[in-house]
Amino acid sequence: NAGVTQTPKFQVLKTGQSMTLQCAQDMNHEYMSWYRQDPGMGLRLIHYSVGAGITDQGEVPNGYNVSRSTTEDFPLRLLSAAPSQTSVYFCAVRSYNEQFFGPGTRLTVL
Amino acid sequence: AQSVTQLGSHVSVSEGALVLLRCNYSSSVPPYLFWYVQYPNQGLQLLLKYTSAATLVKGINGFEAEFKKSETSFHLTKPSAHMSDAAEYFCAVSDVAGNTPLVFGKGTRLSVIA
Repeated sequence: NAGVTQTPKFQVLKTGQSMTLQCAQDMNHEYMSWYRQDPGMGLRLIHYSVGAGITDQGEVPNGYNVSRSTTEDFPLRLLSAAPSQTSVYFCAVRSYNEQFFGPGTRLTVL
Repeated sequence: AQSVTQLGSHVSVSEGALVLLRCNYSSSVPPYLFWYVQYPNQGLQLLLKYTSAATLVKGINGFEAEFKKSETSFHLTKPSAHMSDAAEYFCAVSDVAGNTPLVFGKGTRLSVIA
């Protein structure tokens, strides 16, 4: 029972490159979210999904795309990476009274 | 809209002293409240949560928090700090129906001095 998994753990991109951050869960919960963590800013919500086929924007959605085709997976896409997207990214899965986090992906955009 | 304010981005205490990390929330509906801890270069771990039961909530590692509706506060305390408590602490709020994502404060870094 892995809980919430994220790949890769670390990634370095050049400006303009694209990539997908993967998030998978085996908890069978509908609610999944992506956050980014920056020093002094806490965790800010990028996108979230309340179930397969349903996504919505959070506080800082610009530059990121998501889709949700299955309950288990919720990938985050950067179409054209920018240095401002250098951050640590956390995927989260929500039950009704708790939220579980993945281990994070540390992304650097040069 | 829900929001959380954590007073003090950095708190420093001596080993054995009281730890008090402040969290005030804003919510138009009854909230659930959470404290998470993040040790250096690690992910987030749930310390404790308030989910409309007892207002005094006990968590892991000797931490506790009290929900005070009149003060819209959910401050985190520990009677005696240990060196291993040095970490970043995040307060978060959500609605009780579980229909909204958790909204986080900006965090408080706790340093423990020997």
